[in-house]
Amino acid sequence: DTAVSQTPKYLVTQMGNDKSIKCEQNLGHDTMYWYKQDSKKFLKIMFSYNNKELIINETVPNRFSPKSPDKAHLNLHINSLELGDSAVYFCASSQVSGGNEKLFFGSGTQLSVL
Amino acid sequence: AQSVTQLGSHVSVSEGALVLLRCNYSSSVPPYLFWYVQYPNQGLQLLLKYTSAATLVKGINGFEAEFKKSETSFHLTKPSAHMSDAAEYFCAVSDSGGYQKVTFGTGTKLQVIP
Repeated sequence: DTAVSQTPKYLVTQMGNDKSIKCEQNLGHDTMYWYKQDSKKFLKIMFSYNNKELIINETVPNRFSPKSPDKAHLNLHINSLELGDSAVYFCASSQVSGGNEKLFFGSGTQLSVL
Repeated sequence: AQSVTQLGSHVSVSEGALVLLRCNYSSSVPPYLFWYVQYPNQGLQLLLKYTSAATLVKGINGFEAEFKKSETSFHLTKPSAHMSDAAEYFCAVSDSGGYQKVTFGTGTKLQVIP
């Protein structure tokens, strides 16, 4: 069973379009994240949600709007896509309760904006 | 502020040779340090984690890393490279232990030559 699954795996779209990436985790974790990995492989956190509430928003343009309908899902909606949005987007989850916690990543969504 | 620097974006080793991937960190408090591996078209997987217990941390797949405070380093090693080790490796640091504020390095791509 896939722990953190995100869809689609590949997304090719035109500038100016609106698109969404979905993420689901079946680990029962309280916290979910979106990371952006650019062409230079730099991985940077975008958002973090804990129990459906936003706890981190790292200077991401407001064209990006995460939505968490429940703690197992964290979707990413992007309005008015720009060329610079092309990247691989990773969803992740963790259980923030101390102890031996781990960050589990999805397999990524490669977004190409043309 | 916390940061990590990975020395060398590409490292090539022969199969059976020692693997050494370098990581230096900067943190204002005692850090938590991580190494992640990313195989092609997959998300990141945790290799090992340092949490201020033993300075030599053993991870999965025969990897280990040693925390050296005096050198602010957390280099990743493996005595004998295997073809399956070819991947991208990311060093990461957190000053809180939790994953909300993990900062990743830019990655080192390991090539294993038969």
